[in-house]
Formats: sequence, structure tokens, C-alpha cells
Amino acid sequence: QSVLTQPPSVSGAPGQRVTISCTGSSSNIGAGYDVHWYQQFPGTVPKLLIYGSRIRPSGVPDRFSGSKSGTSASLAISGLQAEDEADYYCQSHDGLSASYVFGTGTKVTVL
Amino acid sequence: QVQLVQSGAEVKKPGASVKVSCKASGYTFTSFSIHWVRQAPGQRLEWMGRIDAGSDNTKYTDIFQGRVTITRDTSATTVYMELSSLRSEDTAVYYCARGNYYDSTGYYFDYWGQGTLVTVSS
Repeated sequence: QSVLTQPPSVSGAPGQRVTISCTGSSSNIGAGYDVHWYQQFPGTVPKLLIYGSRIRPSGVPDRFSGSKSGTSASLAISGLQAEDEADYYCQSHDGLSASYVFGTGTKVTVL
Repeated sequence: QVQLVQSGAEVKKPGASVKVSCKASGYTFTSFSIHWVRQAPGQRLEWMGRIDAGSDNTKYTDIFQGRVTITRDTSATTVYMELSSLRSEDTAVYYCARGNYYDSTGYYFDYWGQGTLVTVSS
């Protein structure tokens, strides 16, 4: 099964900007499928953070932003806060396997 | 408000089957798909399959090699996921999630159930 590759961890000081990459292939992100992002705190349910590669659902702070280019996508967190410390997953559709794929996950640590 | 409420934790022996339910409320049940996603301890999220609650159409990922079956009961607004021939590697939290179809590029998951821990142990 195809997976989307993310860095295992990123960190930053409060107030800084961090970005999380999500690298796919020509059968998923590169084929034009949108990327969606989820935030998950330990032991809790994933929460939708970004859909359609760049759209924030109601209630998600505008500190979170998404982008997509080629076979990759990115999630940026600006003005990093302690409450942002969580795991983040990207997700897309894979046309080759006709299935949905998640990223490997990134743990964000606030220093 | 949209809610997905799952059945409780299960402990099963290797080779057995498990059936997890997901009761939907707060929206028109037949207008959305329900997907199943699992997460083994300390691991990433893994998509298992989906059912279109309106048409009953299903799609599964190949990695389960026919071991997973998703069904729905429209009168009860409930979706079921059954996983057979359980092995220790199937120990995970199983989530149902509502699929929202976006701009012809597939689904994203906007509401999630609380998760059901399935433990496979002899």
C-alpha cells in the first residue's frame, strides 16, 4: 500500500513557524488529488485540521495553513503554541490502488 | 450535532472474528460514506475501507486480503465493520469516520467515532 512520507518530528520555540512536509507520488498527490491534514493528541481521536489542501474547517485557528505543489504538500504552523504539541498526519487518495492513504505522521514538539 | 458512537472494546483470540459498530446521528445518514481507519499502538493511521451509506457500495484496501467486511443498516443508521481471521498484528484502535467528498478528488474525514480497542491475544 502506498504511503505518504512525513518527517518523524519537527520542533520549534513558542512563536516560531514550523512546517511539515508530506511527500507522495505520481499516483496520489502528483495525480492532482487533494491533501487533508489531521491533528491527534496522544490517546485521542484525530481531528480534521485542513481539507482540500488549504481550507480550514470552522474553528481551526488561522495559524494553521496548507499548501500543495507537485507530488508534495505542506502544513505550516505559525506562531507556535504549547497546545500545538501533537501528532500530525496528511491524507490523500491513491489512484493506482483506488484507496486512501495516510502519511507516516509527524510529532510536533514545542521547545 | 454530528455524532459517531462506536461499540466497546473487544478481546479476541487469534483466528476469531470481531464486529465493531458505528452508530451515526445528527445528519442524513444516506448522504455520506462511512470509512474505517485503524491505528496500531504507536503507529500511523491506516485506511481499511468504506461504505456508501446510500448505495451500499463498498471498497476495501487490498492489504486485508478479503478479511474485512463493511455493512450498514439504514433503519438503525449504523455501520458495521467485521474483521476475520484475527492475528496479533490486528491489535489496534479501530475508528469509523464520516467521509466528505471534495471537489472530485476523493474523501476527507470530518467526523470520527471515539475509537474501539480490539486486542488479539491468546
